[in-house]
Amino acid sequence: ETGVTQSPTHLIKTRGQQVTLRCSSQSGHNTVSWYQQALGQGPQFIFQYYREEENGRGNFPPRFSGLQFPNYSSELNVNALELDDSALYLCASSLWGNTEAFFGQGTRLTVV
Amino acid sequence: LAKTTQPISMDSYEGQEVNITCSHNNIATNDYITWYQQFPSQGPRFIIQGYKTKVTNEVASLFIPADRKSSTLSLPRVSLSDTAVYYCLVGGYGGSQGNLIFGKGTKLSVKP
Repeated sequence: ETGVTQSPTHLIKTRGQQVTLRCSSQSGHNTVSWYQQALGQGPQFIFQYYREEENGRGNFPPRFSGLQFPNYSSELNVNALELDDSALYLCASSLWGNTEAFFGQGTRLTVV
Repeated sequence: LAKTTQPISMDSYEGQEVNITCSHNNIATNDYITWYQQFPSQGPRFIIQGYKTKVTNEVASLFIPADRKSSTLSLPRVSLSDTAVYYCLVGGYGGSQGNLIFGKGTKLSVKP
């Protein structure tokens, strides 16, 4: 167990809807990152949050947005869902700038 | 961030030593080399990290030659439970360089 928890574990949404995924960081970690992992692929970096601000973003459109709260927990929001958004969404917590990250179990999102 | 190249798949038998080599020709001076393990439907798990020469922990060893253009993850006496995808990443410490850039990884299959 890494101490990083994500909710929900599974989710089914309809194309065009909006979704919010949640992540609780490991105690003491001040940085949270989100990744999207399609079937058979490696995780793709979406963005990272530190001190409640976005620091670094991968090649994802603005309809992917996030929040980090004072207790370092985080949310990933995706608007106007598309079928290709179906994937495993992973949250990782770490200390700022440290490449030793601790991942949650992920949220499996299915868009139909 | 430096790009990495590693074999797509490897097969082994229980009790054997497995060596997975990763190429990273464009590694930067401040980049560290980090390996993660991922089981199906789970988040990646940190295995080991190094900068140069050799690093060993209770799970694996990491060999890094002087030019740092490649690295080898060594798993001693693998078991069936070591069947997983192994990712090699390079990245620096500090700031947003803590973002993790995953490739497709090496799928290791351990047979009885």
